[in-house]
Amino acid sequence: QVQLQESGPGLVKPSETLSLTCTVSGGSISSSTYHWGWIRQPPGKGLEWIGNIHYSGASYCNPSLKSRVTISVDTSKNQFSLKLSPVTAADTAVYYCARRRVEAGDWFDPWGQGALVTVSS
Amino acid sequence: DIQLTQSPSFLSASVGDRVTITCRASQGISSYLAWYQQKPGKAPKLLIYAASTLQSGVPSRFSGSGSGTEFTLTISSLQPEDFATYHCQQLNSYPLTFGGGTKVEIK
Repeated sequence: QVQLQESGPGLVKPSETLSLTCTVSGGSISSSTYHWGWIRQPPGKGLEWIGNIHYSGASYCNPSLKSRVTISVDTSKNQFSLKLSPVTAADTAVYYCARRRVEAGDWFDPWGQGALVTVSS
Repeated sequence: DIQLTQSPSFLSASVGDRVTITCRASQGISSYLAWYQQKPGKAPKLLIYAASTLQSGVPSRFSGSGSGTEFTLTISSLQPEDFATYHCQQLNSYPLTFGGGTKVEIK
């Protein structure tokens, strides 16, 4: 059973870089059937899709985040990563990683437990 | 961007009630819609994909319908464990978007 786990600093200073890694266990990140995504949720608010990546390196990101987002994949470690820079207080959120299936249906499942990242000096 | 509007945003219901949540898309998305359930402090859980296909392991009291621009999630008989927030998501085109959520609380 595939499981995802986010890791990274819980506190980031304004104007610096938010870096998170998602480790995939119980399955290979190098499956052509799946993409790997990041979604965030500010406290008390709704969900926002950040972007997703395929093991081949093909990625799509939310234009609302403009050029601040970088998503990468490391197949040797079965991990994918998110970088967001520079950050402001508006980037304070719980960040989730999730697996996206794009064949025979399209959905995100499973999700990681989430990582709260606070942007504050 | 495709906007998803969920209604109601808040719903108060009793155990055993039939509950219907609507998700309207600003443009047609065929059947590329998923529904998720989220409990406080937890990650969203997939309930339904392709508008009407029940994810494995999800109780049959949950059902989804619709295509194009209007979709519904129905819980046929609300159970205590169903009190949560429900989100719809469109996967028809980038950027992927979510509805604002519907919180289902105990009456």
